[in-house]
Amino acid sequence: AQTVTQSQPEMSVQEAETVTLSCTYDTSESDYYLFWYKQPPSRQMILVIRQEAYKQQNATENRFSVNFQKAAKSFSLKISDSQLGDAAMYFCAYRRLLMDSNYQLIWGAGTKLIIKP
Amino acid sequence: DVKVTQSSRYLVKRTGEKVFLECVQDMDHENMFWYRQDPGLGLRLIYFSYDVKMKEKGDIPEGYSVSREKKERFSLILESASTNQTSMYLCATSIRGLEVEQYFGPGTRLTVT
Repeated sequence: AQTVTQSQPEMSVQEAETVTLSCTYDTSESDYYLFWYKQPPSRQMILVIRQEAYKQQNATENRFSVNFQKAAKSFSLKISDSQLGDAAMYFCAYRRLLMDSNYQLIWGAGTKLIIKP
Repeated sequence: DVKVTQSSRYLVKRTGEKVFLECVQDMDHENMFWYRQDPGLGLRLIYFSYDVKMKEKGDIPEGYSVSREKKERFSLILESASTNQTSMYLCATSIRGLEVEQYFGPGTRLTVT
């Protein structure tokens, strides 16, 4: 069964610096999607970035980028120039394919990111 | 913008009560999901639905049931609430597809006393 592991329950970073959040996963599938979601305090969960496994190029969205290492089954999130608004819980998720082309997301436990002003 | 609303932000119920949590979306999405979020455990899927009147069990369906009579509405039912069902409940929706993102509601924090 697929699993997703986030080994850092909490991380802190100084404002304007760079931080990397770790995620590893276990799967026997060859093609799949990985996601990072952000849940700000008392606000809704939103998608930060996604990566398709067959694409070798790492996904980038403005200050957010991933380091996708398929062989190592690692999918880390790098946040550059950290801002106070980046403070949130960050969840890594793996898309598990079901029948009829439907899918289910498998979630990590989350990493709480603290931004120090 | 996709809007996903949940009936209550905070809810306090007594053990043994029947509890209804409702989720409504306004974007005609086919897929709807109910998750439970607990510290250190991430999100765990309770039930999901790919179409009206369809439902599929997720990873932790015990003690819960769901109803989807209309496309925009997906209800989670706790038949007889227990203290171990105290948690944050999140509803999510998506269109059909393999790469699509899920859109989340604000969550309902349920306390069962």
